[in-house]
Amino acid sequence: QKEVEQNSGPLSVPEGAIASLNCTYSDRGSQSFFWYRQYSGKSPELIMSIYSNGDKEDGRFTAQLNKASQYVSLLIRDSQPSDSATYLCAVKGLGSGGGADGLTFGKGTHLIIQP
Amino acid sequence: DTEVTQTPKHLVMGMTNKKSLKCEQHMGHRAMYWYKQKAKKPPELMFVYSYEKLSINESVPSRFSPECPNSSLLNLHLHALQPEDSALYLCASSPSAGRGTDTQYFGPGTRLTVL
Repeated sequence: QKEVEQNSGPLSVPEGAIASLNCTYSDRGSQSFFWYRQYSGKSPELIMSIYSNGDKEDGRFTAQLNKASQYVSLLIRDSQPSDSATYLCAVKGLGSGGGADGLTFGKGTHLIIQP
Repeated sequence: DTEVTQTPKHLVMGMTNKKSLKCEQHMGHRAMYWYKQKAKKPPELMFVYSYEKLSINESVPSRFSPECPNSSLLNLHLHALQPEDSALYLCASSPSAGRGTDTQYFGPGTRLTVL
């Protein structure tokens, strides 16, 4: 059974500070890792994808992957009130026969940026 | 353009009704997905289509019947649903299922209420 664990929060961060979101996963065969942002009542919106160990930066966002520790994180620099949302960590492994597979999501971390 | 469209936005149906949800993408993606999301829970995978063939059915009850008429269109046929099936139904697509091209983009969802 694939599991993805996240601290549900809420995580409260002052405006302008760095928000740090963490995620661990159980399936060592996992190949692809994603962070989605979801506002209340809306669908998930892709923030970052990461496939290899190390850091990947995109604007104010940095994703970090450590496959040995089965750990993924997302840093949000210069946090803005508009960043307040639920952040979902999602993991994808190899499907049967190496083909298609869906995402396994963590329960999400509710992030609140305080003005 | 990373747009996935879903219709209808909202649907209310009785337990004896038959209805269909529709999902469309014109990005040339070859993998499409249905997820179900209950309130304050993460999305849960229901079905995966890869190259228009059903490749994963996550033990979904037969009252949910997926269909992929062509590479751009994905339907979810609903029949004899239960009130506990009320949820946000999300469609997603990805260029393919392979690592590095498997980023999934979500549509806005259909909010389903079963009375």
